[in-house]
Amino acid sequence: QKEVEQNSGPLSVPEGAIASLNCTYSDRGSQSFFWYRQYSGKSPELIMFIYSNGDKEDGRFTAQLNKASQYVSLLIRDSQPSDSATYLCAVIKAAGNKLTFGGGTRVLVKP
Amino acid sequence: GAVVSQHPSRVICKSGTSVKIECRSLDFQATTMFWYRQFPKKSLMLMATSNEGSKATYEQGVEKDKFLINHASLTLSTLTVTSAHPEDSSFYICSARRPLTSAEQYFGPGTRLTVT
Repeated sequence: QKEVEQNSGPLSVPEGAIASLNCTYSDRGSQSFFWYRQYSGKSPELIMFIYSNGDKEDGRFTAQLNKASQYVSLLIRDSQPSDSATYLCAVIKAAGNKLTFGGGTRVLVKP
Repeated sequence: GAVVSQHPSRVICKSGTSVKIECRSLDFQATTMFWYRQFPKKSLMLMATSNEGSKATYEQGVEKDKFLINHASLTLSTLTVTSAHPEDSSFYICSARRPLTSAEQYFGPGTRLTVT
């Protein structure tokens, strides 16, 4: 079992719709959870972080964390073609400071 | 988000030579910086954790004598790829971690290394 798992996609979403991305992690003691967006040929860009159970909203993005079920999700509302990218889920395990990345989900927003 | 710079953005070198990549944290003093490598269509692979004023911590399988890391100040970490070979061609990305209570890491723009 991989430490952080994501569906590789591609997740195809019509423009204006909601894109829903999921990520599961294996270390129950994980404390910090991050979503990064990476465009092809570029480095990752931090878009959301969440530390507590529940929802956290920032603009069109909502991160949801459920520690009991060991998953974290990202919702992108009103998806735009510019949202087309690979979204990386990353986790910091208990008592650590290193990010463990999932393989990423490729999102395609079609006009 | 915070700004982290890397230099150079692209470098082509001949096999057997050494290449130095600089990573600077422009917004905050980073006691901890990280170096990653990413191959095409793959996720990021952590190479090492760079700690200001002390030796870097390398991940399993990463040769410390080949990938020299120096974190001489709170805003600068360097990665030197020594005796580069074509298989070292990759996208190298650094990140800086906000100090104290924050855990967020901000990535530099990356350096694309091509060894001929």
